[in-house]
Amino acid sequence: GAVVSQHPSRVICKSGTSVKIECRSLDFQATTMFWYRQFPKKSLMLMATSNEGSKATYEQGVEKDKFLINHASLTLSTLTVTSAHPEDSSFYICSARSGTGVNSPLHFGNGTRLTVT
Amino acid sequence: GQNIDQPTEMTATEGAIVQINCTYQTSGFNGLFWYQQHAGEAPTFLSYNVLDGLEEKGRFSSFLSRSKGYSYLLLKELQMKDSASYLCAVEGMDSNYQLIWGAGTKLIIKP
Repeated sequence: GAVVSQHPSRVICKSGTSVKIECRSLDFQATTMFWYRQFPKKSLMLMATSNEGSKATYEQGVEKDKFLINHASLTLSTLTVTSAHPEDSSFYICSARSGTGVNSPLHFGNGTRLTVT
Repeated sequence: GQNIDQPTEMTATEGAIVQINCTYQTSGFNGLFWYQQHAGEAPTFLSYNVLDGLEEKGRFSSFLSRSKGYSYLLLKELQMKDSASYLCAVEGMDSNYQLIWGAGTKLIIKP
């Protein structure tokens, strides 16, 4: 079945540094990928929609200069958390559709647990 | 506005049956998904409904009534490993296939 690979699974960084998270679709091409953030015991919060070859579409309240998204190819999207602060500590998950039909489900990466100290 | 409601938490016994309900009010409807999420892990796909009726897939079944804005996930022969959160998500009319997520139902299975 369709697989989405997300790396790294865990990262600890110091406040003020930047962290890059990669999301790859391994056996299908994804023109659109989604980046989510999940707080403890909360549902997924869509941060942005990543479109191959164009600028990402950010949800209201998400700082585009802080959460840089690059979708350079049909199989890779990256999320860079710039100048990270402790409040950015969270679980970040990417996802992609394996097909273009409305009945093709989202496939999720395994998520990245970010801890900013 | 757009809204998806699910119970926050449910408890059931191993071997029993449990039904998790989801009601939604969204601007347009292209389909409804159910996902399972174990603590600390990403969600995994369970089912998809776009037409009214029951979709059965092994121990899990999902039902949809579009006129009522209602769906349920039915889990049979519960196993301890079914303890997880179950997320209901609706695809609206957005061309980017964005999903509107419920807050999830935490299912606790007791022996």
